[in-house]
Amino acid sequence: DQQVKQNSPSLSVQEGRISILNCDYTNSMFDYFLWYKKYPAEGPTFLISISSIKDKNEDGRFTVFLNKSAKHLSLHIVPSQPGDSAVYFCAASELNTPLVFGKGTRLSVIA
Amino acid sequence: GAVVSQHPSRVICKSGTSVKIECRSLDFQATTMFWYRQFPKQSLMLMATSNEGSKATYEQGVEKDKFLINHASLTLSTLTVTSAHPEDSSFYICSALPRGGGQPQHFGDGTRLSIL
Repeated sequence: DQQVKQNSPSLSVQEGRISILNCDYTNSMFDYFLWYKKYPAEGPTFLISISSIKDKNEDGRFTVFLNKSAKHLSLHIVPSQPGDSAVYFCAASELNTPLVFGKGTRLSVIA
Repeated sequence: GAVVSQHPSRVICKSGTSVKIECRSLDFQATTMFWYRQFPKQSLMLMATSNEGSKATYEQGVEKDKFLINHASLTLSTLTVTSAHPEDSSFYICSALPRGGGQPQHFGDGTRLSIL
């Protein structure tokens, strides 16, 4: 049973527009959520995180929203840039436990 | 920022060979390191949790005699795939948790293992 789900395997967005990547989870005990970005032949790079006590965290062009009642989080990138093209992994954990990852969403930002 | 070095990045070898992969935290100490495996178009699957100075904790279905993990120091964990077979071909990634706990984990660049 997949505890963290990214239902869209891919997403294409035009440069300058908003990219919205979605993630759903089933474990209500998760209290920390992260987004990682991964380029081919490289390891995932930490992007942004949010704890369960917040519903929004913003860092530059990246904003993560958390809806605990819906067990849903999303990553907004605005404005999207071609360099944002990568695979984005959503991950979640309970306190001091290993991360559980989604399958990833491949974002393509078209110039 | 925090850097994790994973070596080698690519291994191609014959069936029956044992392969060692190293994971080093370069600018921080890591009491806990994780080893993941990723199949094509799949998520990162946790294989084991490696704690410095103690035995690794393996996830269900992961053979501990097949995947030997050693975390001898606060900056180094190794994964040895013993007597590798073609089905062991995969992308292996390590991550390290800075001493003191908390997130985020920092990842190495992964090792692409191909067994012929």
